[in-house]
Amino acid sequence: DTEVTQTPKHLVMGMTNKKSLKCEQHMGHRAMYWYKQKAKKPPELMFVYSYEKLSINESVPSRFSPECPNSSLLNLHLHALQPEDSALYLCASSQEVMAGNTEQFFGPGTRLTVL
Amino acid sequence: QKEVEQNSGPLSVPEGAIASLNCTYSDRGSQSFFWYRQYSGKSPELIMSIYSNGDKEDGRFTAQLNKASQYVSLLIRDSQPSDSATYLCAVKLSSASKIIFGSGTRLSIRP
Repeated sequence: DTEVTQTPKHLVMGMTNKKSLKCEQHMGHRAMYWYKQKAKKPPELMFVYSYEKLSINESVPSRFSPECPNSSLLNLHLHALQPEDSALYLCASSQEVMAGNTEQFFGPGTRLTVL
Repeated sequence: QKEVEQNSGPLSVPEGAIASLNCTYSDRGSQSFFWYRQYSGKSPELIMSIYSNGDKEDGRFTAQLNKASQYVSLLIRDSQPSDSATYLCAVKLSSASKIIFGSGTRLSIRP
């Protein structure tokens, strides 16, 4: 089963709201990722978790707060976002972070609109 | 110089022909290379990974890697309209636990 699931599919929020994005994988992968993708641009890495520990934060603003409750789940908590944060948020997972053949599998994404 | 470079296209190919997508990368120590297909409004889907010099075939897709030239390509044989999508080349950096995406090539298969 090579499936990564994400909820919700769509999210509209105001700049004062607090919301969370959720990601789940059941492939036994030990690395999970959050990406942000704007229209006609490639995915842009935000965070990497390896064995439930944050290993990379690509200088993401603190209004984005990741959390990895267990090896299958990854959350992204959102607070006081700006309209320019509107994008497709993608979760991905891979077997390991450092192994050479780290194929990443993406979830369907959450389309976020900030008003 | 960008870490991973692709021609943005659009690349227009007639149905049934071979589509050739190219990618160059700057990190000489990179060992892992990936091709993703992304339909408009959808998430990237992994279609090929390649780790050794030479060709790797999977159905209508062939990935080619030349580490000396820092070049990776994807060939799509017998192109179908359903192959119309953006193709993203991704390279795992030798010095970090992440992959870097090229900007993508938009492929259009005309009937």
